[in-house]
Amino acid sequence: DVKVTQSSRYLVKRTGEKVFLECVQDMDHENMFWYRQDPGLGLRLIYFSYDVKMKEKGDIPEGYSVSREKKERFSLILESASTNQTSMYLCASSWDSPGIQYFGAGTRLSVL
Amino acid sequence: DAKTTQPPSMDCAEGRAANLPCNHSTISGNEYVYWYRQIHSQGPQYIIHGLKNNETNEMASLIITEDRKSSTLILPHATLRDTAVYYCIARRFTGTASKLTFGTGTRLQVTL
Repeated sequence: DVKVTQSSRYLVKRTGEKVFLECVQDMDHENMFWYRQDPGLGLRLIYFSYDVKMKEKGDIPEGYSVSREKKERFSLILESASTNQTSMYLCASSWDSPGIQYFGAGTRLSVL
Repeated sequence: DAKTTQPPSMDCAEGRAANLPCNHSTISGNEYVYWYRQIHSQGPQYIIHGLKNNETNEMASLIITEDRKSSTLILPHATLRDTAVYYCIARRFTGTASKLTFGTGTRLQVTL
């Protein structure tokens, strides 16, 4: 079974803090994704990566950065957390087929 | 990606078949139909996909009409654990990595 593991299920941070969300997949997938999910807005893509050290902006990259130093790991960084970044963050990975993505359980981040 | 339309909610008695419809009348010839579900507070889970033939796996069956303008996901013996939001997505099978666009989906409530 494909496994996508996110480092935390719940996280509480203060405004201005630097926040790291980690995601690891065990299926040697080339592609990895970070989404956020908010009520009424659905899933929105923040960043994705199609190879080590490669990244592409999604729909809402402002306030975020990413790092992919190893194929299995994709990190999302909130440089200076703000309250409007309170959300559910979902990591996903895939092979070449863009239609089949495997998601982690999500990290519910609260920024106070 | 072709637009998909699903009913906002459905109920199903436990042990009965759950038939979830999806309309994708503008689907193009090279777009597949994918189904995902999201159980409360978890990440989306890939269920099944198909192009024009009916498909079955251990989770569900997918019936696509001959004109490909609509499809039905069938959970043959629904259980309480199948209570979730179900999403139907139309997109190409191959191509560069990019986001999945989840609509509002169908909230399936399985009851005793």
